[in-house]
Amino acid sequence: AQSVTQPDIHITVSEGASLELRCNYSYGATPYLFWYVQSPGQGLQLLLKYFSGDTLVQGIKGFEAEFKRSQSSFNLRKPSVHWSDAAEYFCAVGASTTGNQFYFGTGTSLTVIP
Amino acid sequence: EAQVTQNPRYLITVTGKKLTVTCSQNMNHEYMSWYRQDPGLGLRQIYYSMNVEVTDKGDVPEGYKVSRKEKRNFPLILESPSPNQTSLYFCASSSTWGRVPYGYTFGSGTRLTVV
Repeated sequence: AQSVTQPDIHITVSEGASLELRCNYSYGATPYLFWYVQSPGQGLQLLLKYFSGDTLVQGIKGFEAEFKRSQSSFNLRKPSVHWSDAAEYFCAVGASTTGNQFYFGTGTSLTVIP
Repeated sequence: EAQVTQNPRYLITVTGKKLTVTCSQNMNHEYMSWYRQDPGLGLRQIYYSMNVEVTDKGDVPEGYKVSRKEKRNFPLILESPSPNQTSLYFCASSSTWGRVPYGYTFGSGTRLTVV
């Protein structure tokens, strides 16, 4: 069965520190991978996506993610976190071989300490 | 402005009373989907639609119905709501790449409470 795992339920970092949020997937086919962010009381916003090509993808708000097929991972990174980055982050995966379904991880909540 | 509009934002209802949550998008997207969000479970897909008159079940379709009579609208219907359907609901739309949603635009959400 297809699945997306975000091992960290909650992460706390200091403002200005680097950030890495983990995402692992289990998929039989080549996956399409996404990161979304949800600010409190808001809907989700797309940060970045990987469909093909360069395995290091750049997104909005200074985020990047790297697809590592050998590790089945798509970790999200940011070199210097800002207080406004505090939010819930969701990794997601889709593939046309799954009957066009689309799966989200359970999310990682990020707290930023001043 | 490109957007997905859901209504209502908040709804409290009683068990068994039929309700409809509306969803409309103005981006001419073919793909639309409904999700529910529950603490610790992330977002789970209820139904999705690849195009007009084409709908399919997601992971948690029981107790829900949808229709796609027009490209822009994708209402979610709860024929007989139960308390376990208390949740935060999101509608989303997207263009597609290889039949996969290329990047969702989400509505603002509907907070449903069934008592």
